[in-house]
Amino acid sequence: DTAVSQTPKYLVTQMGNDKSIKCEQNLGHDTMYWYKQDSKKFLKIMFSYNNKELIINETVPNRFSPKSPDKAHLNLHINSLELGDSAVYFCASSPGFDGYTFGSGTRLTVV
Amino acid sequence: AQSVTQLDSQVPVFEEAPVELRCNYSSSVSVYLFWYVQYPNQGLQLLLKYLSGSTLVKGINGFEAEFNKSQTSFHLRKPSVHISDTAEYFCAVSERDSSYKLIFGSGTRLLVRP
Repeated sequence: DTAVSQTPKYLVTQMGNDKSIKCEQNLGHDTMYWYKQDSKKFLKIMFSYNNKELIINETVPNRFSPKSPDKAHLNLHINSLELGDSAVYFCASSPGFDGYTFGSGTRLTVV
Repeated sequence: AQSVTQLDSQVPVFEEAPVELRCNYSSSVSVYLFWYVQYPNQGLQLLLKYLSGSTLVKGINGFEAEFNKSQTSFHLRKPSVHISDTAEYFCAVSERDSSYKLIFGSGTRLLVRP
């Protein structure tokens, strides 16, 4: 059983399109996150939800909107995709300060 | 605000040699410290963590790290590396507040040669 699963694994789309990435965790953790890893492997936090409540919202364009229907799911919707959005997006969950469990990532390529 | 510095972008080493990957952090409050490993085209896997207590922390795959508060460092070591240890290694810090936000260093690529 995968602890943190993301779909899709790969996403190739054209500029201007709208796309969503889904994330689900079966660990019973209260907190979930989205991270972006750029082409230089740098990881930056985007959002965090604790029990469906948004607690971290870093400086991210308004085109990115997270949605958490319940504490086991955190989806990421991106409007009007741009070339610079190409990256690997990681979902993660944690029970608190004990460290994160990461999903395997979604490689988004905007052409 | 906290930050993490990994000075070495790449560390080449021969198989069975020892290795140390350096990590320094900056924070005005107490922190939790972590090392993660990322194999090609995979997610990040937790290697080890320092939360409190003994400053020498042992993790998976024979890795260990030592927390040095005075030098604000958390260097990762392994006495004898294998080809399979070739991967990207990330140091991360979380301040002891309620957000549990992890801030990552820029990563160090460990390249193990036969």
